[in-house]
Amino acid sequence: AQTVTQSQPEMSVQEAETVTLSCTYDTSENNYYLFWYKQPPSRQMILVIRQEAYKQQNATENRFSVNFQKAAKSFSLKISDSQLGDTAMYFCAFMKPNSGNTPLVFGKGTRLSVIA
Amino acid sequence: EPEVTQTPSHQVTQMGQEVILRCVPISNHLYFYWYRQILGQKVEFLVSFYNNEISEKSEIFDDQFSVERPDGSNFTLKIRSTKLEDSAMYFCASDDRNQPQHFGDGTRLSIL
Repeated sequence: AQTVTQSQPEMSVQEAETVTLSCTYDTSENNYYLFWYKQPPSRQMILVIRQEAYKQQNATENRFSVNFQKAAKSFSLKISDSQLGDTAMYFCAFMKPNSGNTPLVFGKGTRLSVIA
Repeated sequence: EPEVTQTPSHQVTQMGQEVILRCVPISNHLYFYWYRQILGQKVEFLVSFYNNEISEKSEIFDDQFSVERPDGSNFTLKIRSTKLEDSAMYFCASDDRNQPQHFGDGTRLSIL
């Protein structure tokens, strides 16, 4: 079974600074997908970024980027130029190769507070 | 952008009562999911559904739970006899092959 570990229960960052959230996972699969989801106080689950394991290039989405280290099974999220609206719970998630109908496995989350 | 919609946003129910949570997945998606998040904890998979039948279910999804797609648009989660520990946020999600899952805003279920 796959597991996802987020070792930082809480983090804080000053507005406009950069912060990195850690995620490690365990799997015997060679191909898979990794995601970061954001959950603001409104409790929605919003997709931030995704990475396909077969792609060596790290995914980026505006101020959000990942550092994907396949051999180390590490998938960290970097948020640049942090904004107050980035305050949220951040969940790392794993998915086996998507042949359809594949559930996500989530980590326990990191609560990020952006401070003015 | 198309969205997954869930109703109601908040449901309060007496212990032992039946509750039905409703979801309208994105229209061209084929795969549907229910997840649960107990307050302060991680999101946990409950069940996945495709082609009018359950594809996979977790150990949480016991006999008190059932899912149904009663028509071409709705996807429901029924909890037959609710318990206090069923209090949680319930998320519906949908996707298509090789697409990320899109989540609804969730239904907060409170069991009294």
